[in-house]
Amino acid sequence: QVQLQESGPGLVKPSQTLSLTCTVSGGSISSADYYWSWIRQPPGKGLECIGYIHYSGSPYYNPSLKSRVTISVDTSKNQFSLKLRSVTAADTAVYYCARDRGGVLTIDSWGQGTLVTVSS
Amino acid sequence: QSALTQPPSASGSPGQSVTISCTGTSSDVGGYSYVSWYQQHPGKAPKLMIYDVSKRPSGVPDRFSGSKSGNTASLTVSGLQAEDEADYYCSSYAGSNNLFGGGTKLTVL
Repeated sequence: QVQLQESGPGLVKPSQTLSLTCTVSGGSISSADYYWSWIRQPPGKGLECIGYIHYSGSPYYNPSLKSRVTISVDTSKNQFSLKLRSVTAADTAVYYCARDRGGVLTIDSWGQGTLVTVSS
Repeated sequence: QSALTQPPSASGSPGQSVTISCTGTSSDVGGYSYVSWYQQHPGKAPKLMIYDVSKRPSGVPDRFSGSKSGNTASLTVSGLQAEDEADYYCSSYAGSNNLFGGGTKLTVL
């Protein structure tokens, strides 16, 4: 059974870059059937899709975040990563990495989530 | 593009049925058969309960069912149990922008 684990700083200063990595175990990130996603949830609020990537193709980004986001994949390490630039307090959220079956927001596996707080 | 519209709350007594709606547009819910539903308990990651409008992943009780009519999808929970109390989110493929609903808090009275 595939497992996903987020890692990265829990505190980021305003205007800096939020960087997270997701390590996938129990399955290959190079599977043709799956896309690898980042989803966030501000405290007490709903879910927001940040973007996703297939190991072989270009990433897709939420249009509202596109100018600040980069998602990449490292097949040699079975990892994928998120960078969100120029963060503000509004970017404070629990960040989940997840596996999307087919790139249609059918998320069948989730990481446990990591809280990232943007504060000076 | 706005999130899909869900009622903020729903409730029912144990054993009853409750239906949660998820309204979008012809560009998302109405245009594709890729609606999913997620259950989220406090402090936990969401769990996939329904995908492709009405399919259940292995291990999800058949008390959970999904349907769609036009631009509105629905999740029905039959035979409510205490452990069903949670937040529920719908999602839909939308071509250029995949969307979640705003979430519905289901209370078991």
